[in-house]
Amino acid sequence: NAGVTQTPKFQVLKTGQSMTLQCAQDMNHNSMYWYRQDPGMGLRLIYYSASEGTTDKGEVPNGYNVSRLNKREFSLRLESAAPSQTSVYFCASTRTGSYEQYFGPGTRLTVT
Amino acid sequence: RKEVEQDPGPFNVPEGATVAFNCTYSNSASQSFFWYRQDCRKEPKLLMSVYSSGNEDGRFTAQLNRASQYISLLIRDSKLSDSATYLCVVTPYGNNRLAFGKGNQVVVIP
Repeated sequence: NAGVTQTPKFQVLKTGQSMTLQCAQDMNHNSMYWYRQDPGMGLRLIYYSASEGTTDKGEVPNGYNVSRLNKREFSLRLESAAPSQTSVYFCASTRTGSYEQYFGPGTRLTVT
Repeated sequence: RKEVEQDPGPFNVPEGATVAFNCTYSNSASQSFFWYRQDCRKEPKLLMSVYSSGNEDGRFTAQLNRASQYISLLIRDSKLSDSATYLCVVTPYGNNRLAFGKGNQVVVIP
């Protein structure tokens, strides 16, 4: 039981490049989330998916897109990376009716 | 106004001492409250839920004050392994979404 997995662990992009961050969970959870964490800012919600087939914007969605590929997988795409998107990105999941979110190990992204 | 406010610290605590800190939340409709723990360069993990009557888990005690809209965490007999950032989490949105505070950084000193 791996829990929540994220790939890649580290990434360096140049401004304007695109990339997709992958997230998968094997706990049969309905809800999945993408957060970013910056020094002094705490965790901020980018997008979330309450169930397979639905996605909603969170607090800071600009510059990102998401895809809930199936119940297990929830990907985050940066179409044209900007230095302001340098951050640590966490994926999380939870079962319906629970507030305990399980987090992946994070992706450290640097945009130069 | 931020949903959750925390004093980031750091809180430097001698080993064996007691440390306590609060967080305040702005939405009085929030129903559920939690403390998450985040070790340096790691992901957050649930430490404990916070119940209206207060609750303990070993050396950790959590309290909720709805009237003043704050929750607290107290750590007794601090261990070096307690060094971490403690995130205050509330549920102001009425669904599975959480609002996280910036965290209280605790450093336990030998």
